[in-house]
Amino acid sequence: GNSVTQMEGPVTLSEEAFLTINCTYTATGYPSLFWYVQYPGEGLQLLLKATKADDKGSNKGFEATYRKETTSFHLEKGSVQVSDSAVYFCALSDRTGRRALTFGSGTRLQVQP
Amino acid sequence: AAGVIQSPRHLIKEKRETATLKCYPIPRHDTVYWYQQGPGQDPQFLISFYEKMQSDKGSIPDRFSAQQFSDYHSELNMSSLELGDSALYFCASSGETGTGEEKLFFGSGTQLSVL
Repeated sequence: GNSVTQMEGPVTLSEEAFLTINCTYTATGYPSLFWYVQYPGEGLQLLLKATKADDKGSNKGFEATYRKETTSFHLEKGSVQVSDSAVYFCALSDRTGRRALTFGSGTRLQVQP
Repeated sequence: AAGVIQSPRHLIKEKRETATLKCYPIPRHDTVYWYQQGPGQDPQFLISFYEKMQSDKGSIPDRFSAQQFSDYHSELNMSSLELGDSALYFCASSGETGTGEEKLFFGSGTQLSVL
């Protein structure tokens, strides 16, 4: 079956530091890959996505590249801000039909001023 | 823009009681998904509906049932509640974007506490 593995948190960084959150996946076929962000007390919001190998998703300074050869979709940001503090979930979707998302366990990011 | 609406926002129940959670998808979205997120856990897929028919089933307990109505809203019915059912329950909706790619939009969730 499908699965997503994320690096454990919390990740604590100082403002303007470089961020990497690792994500690897196991899936049959060619899934779509997503990063969702969850702020305290709120629902999940789509941050970025990639639908095929070598695609790069980007949004709000965050980037992730779909690497089929390493089955990875690592999230990066060059300079984090305090407002980026949240929980980040990597997820995949099997594109055969209307399939639900499979989520990773989430990584909490804490950015200190 | 309209988002996914869930009600109630918070719900407190006692063991063995029943609960009903409601989800109103974004207008013109035809697919609804339910997820359960325990404290500090990743969201676990429960069940989904497309055009009022169950389309996929995940780790939904037999004590739970759900349906999607003619106006596309969905209700998750939970009976014989247990302490372990305490969690944040998310609903998400999706519809064709015209590019063949579906995008899920999540509600803010219903926080269920079973005492």
